[in-house]
Amino acid sequence: KQEVTQIPAALSVPEGENLVLNCSFTDSAIYNLQWFRQDPGKGLTSLLLIQSSQREQTSGRLNASLDKSSGRSTLYIAASQPGDSATYLCALLYHVPYKYIFGTGTRLKVLA
Amino acid sequence: NAGVTQTPKFRVLKTGQSMTLLCAQDMNHEYMYWYRQDPGMGLRLIHYSVGEGTTAKGEVPDGYNVSRLKKQNFLLGLESAAPSQTSVYFCASSYFPRADSYNEQFFGPGTRLTVL
Repeated sequence: KQEVTQIPAALSVPEGENLVLNCSFTDSAIYNLQWFRQDPGKGLTSLLLIQSSQREQTSGRLNASLDKSSGRSTLYIAASQPGDSATYLCALLYHVPYKYIFGTGTRLKVLA
Repeated sequence: NAGVTQTPKFRVLKTGQSMTLLCAQDMNHEYMYWYRQDPGMGLRLIHYSVGEGTTAKGEVPDGYNVSRLKKQNFLLGLESAAPSQTSVYFCASSYFPRADSYNEQFFGPGTRLTVL
């Protein structure tokens, strides 16, 4: 069964701290992995997408890595800010059968 | 470009009532999806479409019907609403997925539905 797990479910850190969010998956036959941010009561905003053949992607203070052999992806946030407070979701696109599977998310709170 | 839009944003129904949620995208995407999001359950796929005139069942299709008469629109219908269908519904779209392509999925803002 294709499962995606995000641990921890919630995280609270002081402003300025570097942090890592984890996404684990059981089936590595993926097309790509996408990280999203969701603010309370809002939709999903795409942060980074890593193709199956790639190892990492970077955008500003965000860096996402993909290790298919271990079934893990990490989202690294440098110098966290209160504005980073949100829920972070990872989603994997599988092609056999074709579907996206989402993790349940990590709820991040950055304290000023 | 508006991206992916959803109407309505909020709706309250009584048990047994019917309604249709509309999703529209202006990116000429082939694929469109309907998800529901519930606390502790993450996003779960209800139905999806791989092109105009086609639909397919996702993970939790029971109690819902869909139609895709035009490429840019994907409708989600509830024929007889139940309290268990209280949720936030998200529509998304993407290009036809290919290996080693940038298969990004774009989401609408969501519809918050309460069934009393």
